[in-house]
Amino acid sequence: KNEVEQSPQNLTAQEGEFITINCSYSVGISALHWLQQHPGGGIVSLFMLSSGKKKHGRLIATINIQEKHSSLHITASHPRDSAVYICAVGNGGSQGNLIFGKGTKLSVKP
Amino acid sequence: DAGITQSPRHKVTETGTPVTLRCHQTENHRYMYWYRQDPGHGLRLIHYSYGVKDTDKGEVSDGYSVSRSKTEDFLLTLESATSSQTSVYFCAISAGTSGGTDTQYFGPGTRLTVL
Repeated sequence: KNEVEQSPQNLTAQEGEFITINCSYSVGISALHWLQQHPGGGIVSLFMLSSGKKKHGRLIATINIQEKHSSLHITASHPRDSAVYICAVGNGGSQGNLIFGKGTKLSVKP
Repeated sequence: DAGITQSPRHKVTETGTPVTLRCHQTENHRYMYWYRQDPGHGLRLIHYSYGVKDTDKGEVSDGYSVSRSKTEDFLLTLESATSSQTSVYFCAISAGTSGGTDTQYFGPGTRLTVL
C-alpha cells in the first residue's frame, strides 16, 4: 500500500486553465513537501507546509491535516509549467527522511 | 541554487563491475541523501548520512554502500553492478532535521545504465 498517493497521474491542460493536483497520505506527518521535476530532470522544492495554505506567484498549496490531504493549484497555467509535480511527506522520524509520491505529469498546451 | 554537484552525470557499465557515484556540496549541510528514481516508482531512499562517518540504510539499500569522510562529499558505491540498478540517482542535502520539516535540495542526477 502506497503511503503517499497522487492524482491524477497525468494531466493535460490548455494554457490559461486552473490546475489542481491532489496528494493523499496515510501516515502521520510533520510536514508535506511539493516538488517540481523539470523535463530535463532537475528537482526543485516548491513548498513545505504543515498547516493551512502557502502561495508563491501562480502556485498555491493547501493542506488539510485532519483529512490527510493536500492540493497544489496552478492559476493561469502556462506551457512552462509543464513538469512532473511530486508530493512528499516527512513522517516525523528523527532523520528527516521523506516518503515520496509517484508524481503527476502535467503538460500545458499553448 | 544550492551548491550540489554529482559525478559522473552519465555512466554506462557492465554487469559485475564496481561503480562509485559522487555527490559534492558546498553548503556545509549536515544531512545528505542518495535516492534512485525509476518509472512507476516515487523517489526511493537508498542511504543517508547525518554527519561525517554517520550513515544509515534507507528503503532500498541492498547492493549499495556509502561513505562520508568529509562533510562535503557523499559517495555511493555499487560493489557489483546489476541490471536492476539501472536507474537515475539523485543526491540531496538538507541543513538539519526535524522529522522531515527541512527543505531538501537536489543534485542534477546521474543516469546509470548497467548492461
